[in-house]
Amino acid sequence: DAGVIQSPRHEVTEMGQEVTLRCKPISGHDYLFWYRQTMMRGLELLIYFNNNVPIDDSGMPEDRFSAKMPNASFSTLKIQPSEPRDSAVYFCASRGTGTRTEAFFGQGTRLTVV
Amino acid sequence: GDSVTQMEGPVTLSEEAFLTINCTYTATGYPSLFWYVQYPGEGLQLLLKATKADDKGSNKGFEATYRKETTSFHLEKGSVQVSDSAVYFCALMNYGGSQGNLIFGKGTKLSVKP
Repeated sequence: DAGVIQSPRHEVTEMGQEVTLRCKPISGHDYLFWYRQTMMRGLELLIYFNNNVPIDDSGMPEDRFSAKMPNASFSTLKIQPSEPRDSAVYFCASRGTGTRTEAFFGQGTRLTVV
Repeated sequence: GDSVTQMEGPVTLSEEAFLTINCTYTATGYPSLFWYVQYPGEGLQLLLKATKADDKGSNKGFEATYRKETTSFHLEKGSVQVSDSAVYFCALMNYGGSQGNLIFGKGTKLSVKP
């Protein structure tokens, strides 16, 4: 398996533009997580899905952020409109349902909003 | 709620020195515990895990023992190498119900000097 695949690896955009980050989880995994990493806040869980259904989105900073999982092999995280304070590395992770299973992370998307 | 506390960094050691990174947790029930490592510019990789009390996880010379009585999962390595320079994250995961997400500590940056 190729692991969790995120795209793009780097994104530079202007303030006010819409940004869409993409994630393909490991085949067969039932859980998908979106994290944000910054120097100030460390790793923050934004939202996670189980069987394509959002379970906890309490970490989504505000209404400008939205996430979808239309099927088991694809998820998006959208920011509209983007702001400079959204600059961070965004990670996607997935795990299976089996007991005591760990999560596997993608390489991340480094977002810079100028 | 569940939480993880790990020692503040950065930690700077000479090659072949002994490493300890402290991690304590607060959780209901019986979570699984993990150490993840993040090399510069990369995503998080699972280093080791323990799924029940008194379990010892080990990998690449690193070890950590799940101590329920002290709610700790300290990471140790007897002789560090320059290639061990990275950020180390302690994490826990509770399973069942709506719980299923990883909760991370803030990370500890390790620099190993030749």
